[in-house]
Amino acid sequence: DSGVTQTPKHLITATGQRVTLRCSPRSGDLSVYWYQQSLDQGLQFLIQYYNGEERAKGNILERFSAQQFPDLHSELNLSSLELGDSALYFCASSGPGGSSGYTDTQYFGPGTRLTVL
Amino acid sequence: DQQVKQNSPSLSVQEGRISILNCDYTNSMFDYFLWYKKYPAEGPTFLISISSIKDKNEDGRFTVFLNKSAKHLSLHIVPSQPGDSAVYFCAAYSSNTGKLIFGQGTTLQVKP
Repeated sequence: DSGVTQTPKHLITATGQRVTLRCSPRSGDLSVYWYQQSLDQGLQFLIQYYNGEERAKGNILERFSAQQFPDLHSELNLSSLELGDSALYFCASSGPGGSSGYTDTQYFGPGTRLTVL
Repeated sequence: DQQVKQNSPSLSVQEGRISILNCDYTNSMFDYFLWYKKYPAEGPTFLISISSIKDKNEDGRFTVFLNKSAKHLSLHIVPSQPGDSAVYFCAAYSSNTGKLIFGQGTTLQVKP
């Protein structure tokens, strides 16, 4: 158990819909990261938040957005869903070392499996 | 543009033997390299890391080697155990971008 929790575990929805994925980082971790893993691809970095502020951005679509709240939990919002958005979405967190932009270890949650029909 | 590549999608090894997983990268600005292990239906689990200023790091049965001139790193597991069967991801971190870039993963099967 990494200490990172993600809800829901599974999500099935239709094209055009909007969903919200939730992540709670490990206690004391200030950084939260979101990743997407599609069937035939490795983990793709989407976005990082550090203590409520966006820190780094990866291949995140404009239809997707994220935020980190004062209690440090984070939400990933996916809108106008398409079939190709079906994937595993992982959240990870790392410690306060993120203040310098450096992180050694990211601890991953169990993921949310999104299926778009 | 695949900055981190794991060219072998799968590897099969006999229990007790050495498993060697390979990873190549293209960006010389990476500061840290990490290996993660992933079981089905679980998130990746951190295994071992190495700083770009080192060439070897060892933790129990796991050793990571870094060859900066070749932009290559490898994970050695000795001796391999059936419980090591999983997908192994190589990842590289750049403090310039703040991003952790993952390879495609290699599925290791350790046969009893």
